Amino acid sequence: ELKVEQNPLFLSMQEGKNYTIYCNYSTTSDRLYWYRQDPGKSLESLFVLLSNGAVKQEGRLMASLDTKARLSTLHITAAVHDLSATYFCAVATGTASKLTFGTGTRLQVTL
Amino acid sequence: DADVTQTPRNRITKTGKRIMLECSQTKGHDRMYWYRQDPGLGLRLIYYSFDVKDINKGEISDGYSVSRQAQAKFSLSLESAIPNQTALYFCATSKADMTGELFFGEGSRLTVL
Repeated sequence: ELKVEQNPLFLSMQEGKNYTIYCNYSTTSDRLYWYRQDPGKSLESLFVLLSNGAVKQEGRLMASLDTKARLSTLHITAAVHDLSATYFCAVATGTASKLTFGTGTRLQVTL
Repeated sequence: DADVTQTPRNRITKTGKRIMLECSQTKGHDRMYWYRQDPGLGLRLIYYSFDVKDINKGEISDGYSVSRQAQAKFSLSLESAIPNQTALYFCATSKADMTGELFFGEGSRLTVL
């Protein structure tokens, strides 16, 4: 059974600081996804990582994938309040688009 | 307008009632999914469908059923709702390719009293 673990589960950080969210998973996969969810809202796709060593960046967020370590990171650079949200990683296995989600990291950026 | 539309957005019902949550999409995607979100548990897959004639159970299908009425419509039913089915339910779609990226609806919040 695939398990996806994120840490930390909650992160409070000051504006302007850098931090990394980690996503570990238990079985082989080369497809990993990051989503953002604002309170009471839907999930918004941030990154799709489809191979070992994949790195993608959008604004202050950068995601990477190491399939050998079964690890993905979401790095936040110079955080701003607008990044406050819950971030989920999800892993796909097999040929189907069945994603297993982590429990989420709630990020709070304070002034 | 949203590409993936869920109705109702909020519903309060009583134990034992039958409930249907509906999902329609204009993205033209073949694949549709129902997920359930509970605090601290992330999202868990209930059912998924890769085309109109294809229905598959996810990890938590007990107590739920689905119907794929058309390529664009996928409904979730709770035949006899119970309080532990109180949750936020999301419909999602994806293309039939290897990227597997999901596109989510706005969610349906269900409360079972």
